Amino acid sequence: AQTVTQSQPEMSVQEAETVTLSCTYDTSESDYYLFWYKQPPSRQMILVIRQEAYKQQNATENRFSVNFQKAAKSFSLKISDSQLGDAAMYFCAYRNDKGTYKYIFGTGTRLKVLA
Amino acid sequence: NAGVTQTPKFRILKIGQSMTLQCAQDMNHNYMYWYRQDPGMGLKLIYYSVGAGITDKGEVPNGYNVSRSTTEDFPLRLELAAPSQTSVYFCASSPSRSGARTDTQYFGPGTRLTVL
Repeated sequence: AQTVTQSQPEMSVQEAETVTLSCTYDTSESDYYLFWYKQPPSRQMILVIRQEAYKQQNATENRFSVNFQKAAKSFSLKISDSQLGDAAMYFCAYRNDKGTYKYIFGTGTRLKVLA
Repeated sequence: NAGVTQTPKFRILKIGQSMTLQCAQDMNHNYMYWYRQDPGMGLKLIYYSVGAGITDKGEVPNGYNVSRSTTEDFPLRLELAAPSQTSVYFCASSPSRSGARTDTQYFGPGTRLTVL
């Protein structure tokens, strides 16, 4: 069965600095998607970025980028120029590209942004 | 386009009571999901559906039931509420696989349920 592990329960970053959140996963599949979701205090789950496993190029969305290492089964999120509004829980998620189409979530990393 | 809507936003139940959490989406998505999120934890899948009339169990289905009679609606039923079901419940939907930028989950705002 697939698993997703986030080993950092909490991280802190100074405003305007860069922070990297870690995520590892385990799967025997070759085709899958990986996601980072943000959950602010409002509880609303918001997609931050997604990565297709068949793409070697790392995904980027403005200040957010990933370091996808398929062989190592690692999918870290880098937030550049951190802003106070980035403070939230961040969840890493995995989804097969076939089969049941279920999403598997990690336990989350709480990011604090210090002014 | 309202996206994914959930009602109610908050609810307090007594042990043994029953209730239905409502979920609706207006994006014509085939896939719908129910998750629970316990304090400080990630999301655990309760049930999911790949289309009207088709549902299947997720990771933690005990104590819950679902139905999917239409594409739009996916209600979650708690039959005999227990304190262990105190949690925040999220409904989500996603389109059929396309590889497009829209191919992800869309979440409702959540329902905070307390069982006393």
